[in-house]
Amino acid sequence: DAGVTQSPTHLIKTRGQQVTLRCSPISGHKSVSWYQQVLGQGPQFIFQYYEKEERGRGNFPDRFSARQFPNYSSELNVNALLLGDSALYLCASSYWTEVGSYEQYFGPGTRLTVT
Amino acid sequence: GQQVMQIPQYQHVQEGEDFTTYCNSSTTLSNIQWYKQRPGGHPVFLIQLVKSGEVKKQKRLTFQFGEAKKNSSLHITATQTTDVGTYFCAGLKDKIIFGKGTRLHILP
Repeated sequence: DAGVTQSPTHLIKTRGQQVTLRCSPISGHKSVSWYQQVLGQGPQFIFQYYEKEERGRGNFPDRFSARQFPNYSSELNVNALLLGDSALYLCASSYWTEVGSYEQYFGPGTRLTVT
Repeated sequence: GQQVMQIPQYQHVQEGEDFTTYCNSSTTLSNIQWYKQRPGGHPVFLIQLVKSGEVKKQKRLTFQFGEAKKNSSLHITATQTTDVGTYFCAGLKDKIIFGKGTRLHILP
């Protein structure tokens, strides 16, 4: 079975632009979570979706939004990009509904650079 | 707010020596998970601890969850070069919070 896939692998954007990142979970997993990982830090929780509904949100501004589709894939959107948004964006899928209550499988991530 | 602190930030050990990383939460946790991230890679799930005082072993790795469910440790016996990477704990209370990780370097 394929693992969690994310696209694109790398992305370079300019301040003020908007970006959409995509994630496909492991087959059979209905929960998708998004994390931001800045170099040298641990992943920071952004969102969790389960069965197309938002089930959790971290401390990120409203410029960050996400959604989950009927096939359980997910998109993360970031508007009005700032230099500080440069990071590795990780998607994790899980079988269970409550993020952190079950093992998560991370994708390879999307490296976003904002110039 | 809820915080998860992890120490040390870095650890250099000779191959064959033991290694321990510690995780401390400001609040009582529902559970704690441990992940390993190789350089340039993504976090890989190692284990989840749920019960107070729980101890789990995976070959050379021993994981402990404190009695108060506020701290945890990962101990690696006789490190090998394949153990290189950053080890993260992730505590769950109202939401999941990762520690900053401990980066392990192995000296041959």
